[in-house]
Amino acid sequence: GESVGLHLPTLSVQEGDNSIINCAYSNSASDYFIWYKQESGKGPQFIIDIRSNMDKRQGQRVTVLLNKTVKHLSLQIAATQPGDSAVYFCAEHGSSNTGKLIFGQGTTLQVKP
Amino acid sequence: DAGVIQSPRHEVTEMGQEVTLRCKPISGHNSLFWYRQTMMRGLELLIYFNNNVPIDDSGMPEDRFSAKMPNASFSTLKIQPSEPRDSAVYFCASKEDGTYEQYFGPGTRLTVT
Repeated sequence: GESVGLHLPTLSVQEGDNSIINCAYSNSASDYFIWYKQESGKGPQFIIDIRSNMDKRQGQRVTVLLNKTVKHLSLQIAATQPGDSAVYFCAEHGSSNTGKLIFGQGTTLQVKP
Repeated sequence: DAGVIQSPRHEVTEMGQEVTLRCKPISGHNSLFWYRQTMMRGLELLIYFNNNVPIDDSGMPEDRFSAKMPNASFSTLKIQPSEPRDSAVYFCASKEDGTYEQYFGPGTRLTVT
């Protein structure tokens, strides 16, 4: 049946702490993964990506970890800032080379000053 | 680069009216995607085009929805007749061939009363 609405997981962290946002993906054959950040009233914005032949990729203050064994993706944000408050989505690209991304339901990150 | 441009940003209409949403992808991007975002269902892919040709419209909810891409720089998503359950934020995204990252527009918030 239909749910009342999506209850996005929420992560609440203190400013300056590190944040870890997790995502379970569905297709073991997916070859590429992206993390998007969506601020209120805006469209999703690219943060970082990783190919399936990698386990870890680092950007500025962000790190993505990929565990293919358990189909798990995580986004680590160092020294979280109030501007990091947003909904974070992971997305996977299947191996069919269609160009389509499958998005997760999202996690809300709240940063307390 | 102006990014993906969508218009209008907000649309309020009465049930039964026709609604047309517009999108201009990033110049040089070959693929264009229309998404719908609601609290109930999250971010859903409705349809996507490659080189102006619809490739996958399996996400279009019903015949009331139609999308066109008459040229590489313009696409429309039309709902006729609109219903209150169509109320959502509609995003357009584009990407280049050979890449995975989709660039999202700011979205159109549609309210059908």
